Amino acid sequence: NAGVMQNPRHLVRRRGQEARLRCSPMKGHSHVYWYRQLPEEGLKFMVYLQKENIIDESGMPKERFSAEFPKEGPSILRIQQVVRGDSAAYFCASSPRDHTDTQYFGPGTRLTVL
Amino acid sequence: QKEVEQNSGPLSVPEGAIASLNCTYSDRGSQSFFWYRQYSGKSPELIMFIYSNGDKEDGRFTAQLNKASQYVSLLIRDSQPSDSATYLCAFVSNSGYALNFGKGTSLLVTP
Repeated sequence: NAGVMQNPRHLVRRRGQEARLRCSPMKGHSHVYWYRQLPEEGLKFMVYLQKENIIDESGMPKERFSAEFPKEGPSILRIQQVVRGDSAAYFCASSPRDHTDTQYFGPGTRLTVL
Repeated sequence: QKEVEQNSGPLSVPEGAIASLNCTYSDRGSQSFFWYRQYSGKSPELIMFIYSNGDKEDGRFTAQLNKASQYVSLLIRDSQPSDSATYLCAFVSNSGYALNFGKGTSLLVTP
């Protein structure tokens, strides 16, 4: 009974490098969400995807951040040219039906930018 | 702007007591409400969801929703030290797709 899988669990990057975060939803779930939690801050929505489609990216910074959920394989959150302010916990969640349904969270990827 | 307000705490209760956690939200279009628990350094874990006005009970947990007052609460009966965590209130509005989270209330259950 695998839950939402995320890897890597911890990622260290130097300023200017790229970070790639992966998320595999729960079996049977086709809706994926990415959230970011900055230190001492609440969880903030970034993007909502279905297979091969970005449904809502209103929470994603306009530059350097992108997300995809291909037909095959995990969802990817990509951060180009990372800066120290990108250091945070990035959580992926999935739901079986739509955005009004319960979202189940993965263990998160903790990104540290040196 | 969709906002969720929670008292940051910490809320301290003795073991065996009832812990009461409160949350208010600004978006009258909100339709789905959730309580998540988050231990330090871990991911949010679903506790309960509630869609309709009134009470919903699940084991030691009771969620209460009052849409007219834009208020949702979580009661934890017979609190245990293992309940010590941050409790996050969240909702989904009619006009969006995201879970909108409060900053959470820190609960400490003392033996």
